[in-house]
Amino acid sequence: NAGVIQTPRHKVTGKGQEATLWCEPISGHSAVFWYRQTIVQGLEFLTYFRNQAPIDDSGMPKERFSAQMPNQSHSTLKIQSTQPQDSAVYLCASSWTANTEVFFGKGTRLTVV
Amino acid sequence: GDSVTQTEGPVTVSESESLIINCTYSATSIAYPNLFWYVRYPGEGLQLLLKVITAGQKGSSRGFEATYNKETTSFHLQKASVQESDSAVYYCALGDNTGNYKYVFGAGTRLKVIA
Repeated sequence: NAGVIQTPRHKVTGKGQEATLWCEPISGHSAVFWYRQTIVQGLEFLTYFRNQAPIDDSGMPKERFSAQMPNQSHSTLKIQSTQPQDSAVYLCASSWTANTEVFFGKGTRLTVV
Repeated sequence: GDSVTQTEGPVTVSESESLIINCTYSATSIAYPNLFWYVRYPGEGLQLLLKVITAGQKGSSRGFEATYNKETTSFHLQKASVQESDSAVYYCALGDNTGNYKYVFGAGTRLKVIA
């Protein structure tokens, strides 16, 4: 079991460019989450999928951020027109259900220059 | 809103000494909060250290323990004798018993254990 796999581990984008972050949850897990970690805000919940369906995106910035889960083996977080304030570590996590232990990936460090 | 406050790091402790990392929470929108300690070792992802879902109960793992105190809204992490391998960042977190996905995390406490 390789755990939750996130790629790339580091990404540098220019201001205004698009960034796509990838997550491969643990096989068989039906719940997938995205979190963002910054020094100022700490770890913040972004969005949650259950069986690939979006359930709760209350933490997602309304503009420029979108998340998808086209199949059970991967999810993507897309940020359009990236801004310096989007620089953060983005964490993906998965679990069997929303009520069971959550396993986190190592994160993708996004730097917008 | 819901929030978690924990000991500000970094915390430096000598090997074999005792450790306490304080955690207090405010759960204004969660009727029956679940409490967690997560740990991130260098180069690794966040991993669950221990959890307690019932007030008054104690959780333990790898020599660490924490008691869910509803009266003082606290969930302090303690260890009697730390080792160098315990050096990591520790996060206290609050969850909802209807679905723990929407954690509220503390800021994290970096622990360095020196020989």
